Amino acid sequence: GQQVMQIPQYQHVQEGEDFTTYCNSSTTLSNIQWYKQRPGGHPVFLIQLVKSGEVKKQKRLTFQFGEAKKNSSLHITATQTTDVGTYFCAGPYGQNFVFGPGTRLSVLP
Amino acid sequence: EAGVAQSPRYKIIEKRQSVAFWCNPISGHATLYWYQQILGQGPKLLIQFQNNGVVDDSQLPKDRFSAERLKGVDSTLKIQPAKLEDSAVYLCASSSSPAPWGDTQYFGPGTRLTVL
Repeated sequence: GQQVMQIPQYQHVQEGEDFTTYCNSSTTLSNIQWYKQRPGGHPVFLIQLVKSGEVKKQKRLTFQFGEAKKNSSLHITATQTTDVGTYFCAGPYGQNFVFGPGTRLSVLP
Repeated sequence: EAGVAQSPRYKIIEKRQSVAFWCNPISGHATLYWYQQILGQGPKLLIQFQNNGVVDDSQLPKDRFSAERLKGVDSTLKIQPAKLEDSAVYLCASSSSPAPWGDTQYFGPGTRLTVL
C-alpha cells in the first residue's frame, strides 16, 4: 500500500540546536514535497524535490532527496522559536497524494 | 493575492446530522483538493477536481460524503449523515498546475468539525 513514514514523531530541542526529520516512502516517488503546519494553522508549502540526490537550501533549512527517490530529509540549523510546528513530507502515489504523519518540533527558548 | 477561503471556520453538530463546507480557491487555480485532517495526523486527500471535473475521489467515503465544483471555481463538501469519527479539520487547497502534483498546493484555514 501507499505508505509514507516519518521519524521522529516528536522532537524537543533547545533554541540554537539543530533538528533533522526523516521521511521514508514504501515506493519510489516522482517528487516529494515538504510542508510546515504551525499549531492551529494550515499546511504551508516549503519545497518540492524532483531529482535523485537533489539538495536544496532555504536559509537555515536544507532539504535532501535520496538517490533511490524513496527517502528525504529536512535539516534545520540553529533552530529558532519560529521553527515550532509540524513538518510533513508528502508525495504522489498514482492519483493519490499522501502526507506522512509529520514530525512535531518544539523549541525551548 | 487573496488566499484560499473556507467557511465556516468551526461547526458543531450531532451525529446523524448533515453539514456542508464551502471553499473558494485562489483566482485562476484550476485544481482544487479537499483533505480531512484528524488531530495528530497528516492531511488525507478526499477528492481532487480539475476545473469542474473529478480527477480522483477514491478516498472519499461516498456513502456519506459528496463534493461538487459545478462552475469550476468554488466547491462544497457535504457529509450526510455525520458520524463521530468525522470529527476533524477539513482543509481545502488549490493549485495552478493542471497536472497532478506538479505544483505548490495552497491551503485554506480549514473548517474544524466536531460531531457530538
